[in-house]
Amino acid sequence: NAGVTQTPKFRILKIGQSMTLQCTQDMNHNYMYWYRQDPGMGLKLIYYSVGAGITDKGEVPNGYNVSRSTTEDFPLRLELAAPSQTSVYSCASSYLDRVGEQYFGPGTRLTVT
Amino acid sequence: DQQVKQNSPSLSVQEGRISILNCDYTNSMFDYFLWYKKYPAEGPTFLISISSIKDKNEDGRFTVFLNKSAKHLSLHIVPSQPGDSAVYFCAATDNYGQNFVFGPGTRLSVLP
Repeated sequence: NAGVTQTPKFRILKIGQSMTLQCTQDMNHNYMYWYRQDPGMGLKLIYYSVGAGITDKGEVPNGYNVSRSTTEDFPLRLELAAPSQTSVYSCASSYLDRVGEQYFGPGTRLTVT
Repeated sequence: DQQVKQNSPSLSVQEGRISILNCDYTNSMFDYFLWYKKYPAEGPTFLISISSIKDKNEDGRFTVFLNKSAKHLSLHIVPSQPGDSAVYFCAATDNYGQNFVFGPGTRLSVLP
């Protein structure tokens, strides 16, 4: 089991560019999440999904989009990148009946300049 | 306004002694609490959880205590080991378990 994998590990974007952060899990988890973490702050939930075809906004969804066409994949799309989106992005997944026990990927460090 | 607070950014403890990490929350709707541990360049890993119907949960060297009236929880690590050196995040969620709020983390250093 690879667990939760994220690509890329690092990325530098120019203002206004777009990109997709990839997240894949091989544990057949129902729930998947995207978080961002800024220095000195806790993880903030961007979007989550309770299953294929179902997504919902978290605390900080503005500037992002997600889709969940399969159980395994949950990509996060940044449109028109802004410096405020410089952060570490973490993807996680969990079982339906153990939503608290989230398995996290290693993270993607994104810099927007 | 932070709903989950960890007021100590860092903590240093001698190997073999007890480590106590604290967490306070403001939202009385939270009823499930978790601790995660994070090493550098890795994602957080789940450590231990507690439901609001309990006041204590134990797993090996790790014990979490919950004081609902004070909206406070703590993680005790006994005995502390150098491998416990990491950032510890407290997290909370409500009845639906779909929206988690994380604290800013406490960096624990266990000195040999």
